[in-house]
Amino acid sequence: KAGVTQTPRYLIKTRGQQVTLSCSPISGHRSVSWYQQTPGQGLQFLFEYFSETQRNKGNFPGRFSGRQFSNSRSEMNVSTLELGDSALYLCASRYGQGNTEAFFGQGTRLTVV
Amino acid sequence: QKEVEQDPGPLSVPEGAIVSLNCTYSNSAFQYFMWYRQYSRKGPELLMYTYSSGNKEDGRFTAQVDKSSKYISLFIRDSQPSDSATYLCAMRAGGTSYGKLTFGQGTILTVHP
Repeated sequence: KAGVTQTPRYLIKTRGQQVTLSCSPISGHRSVSWYQQTPGQGLQFLFEYFSETQRNKGNFPGRFSGRQFSNSRSEMNVSTLELGDSALYLCASRYGQGNTEAFFGQGTRLTVV
Repeated sequence: QKEVEQDPGPLSVPEGAIVSLNCTYSNSAFQYFMWYRQYSRKGPELLMYTYSSGNKEDGRFTAQVDKSSKYISLFIRDSQPSDSATYLCAMRAGGTSYGKLTFGQGTILTVHP
């Protein structure tokens, strides 16, 4: 069974640009959550999608947005990139909306220069 | 003050030692507790998942939850060099917050031969 797949693995962008990251959850999983990991702040929750609807949102500015497609794949977009957005962005998938374990992908390493 | 506090270490132990990793939390709504292991340049890997207060054992790993003290622990017996990684505690509330994990800062563990 394939795990959570995130693409691309590495990305370098310039300040002011926008970026789109992709996440394919484990087959059969319908919930996708996104996290930002930095050395200073650790892992912080961005948002969660289930059945194409955002169910939860963390404390990030509106420049961070996401969506989920009917096949449960999810994308995350960051507009007007700032140097502080440099981080490892992780996607986690869960089977359902209830009490189920979250499995993480390898992450996308975003560097903003 | 962070909702979840975890000593970042680093922690260095000899092979075969018993390792104790701990987290404290302040949010009484947290009901589910997890431990993840993260190797360098990889995504977090789920090690243990617990709900109620008490102990849960899986091979060399034992997770302990004390909800009355808002304190969780992970014990690693017979530690191996391959256990060298960052260990993250994570927790979440129930209901509509199932998808949001709150993480500790992570403890860097090195097991030397």
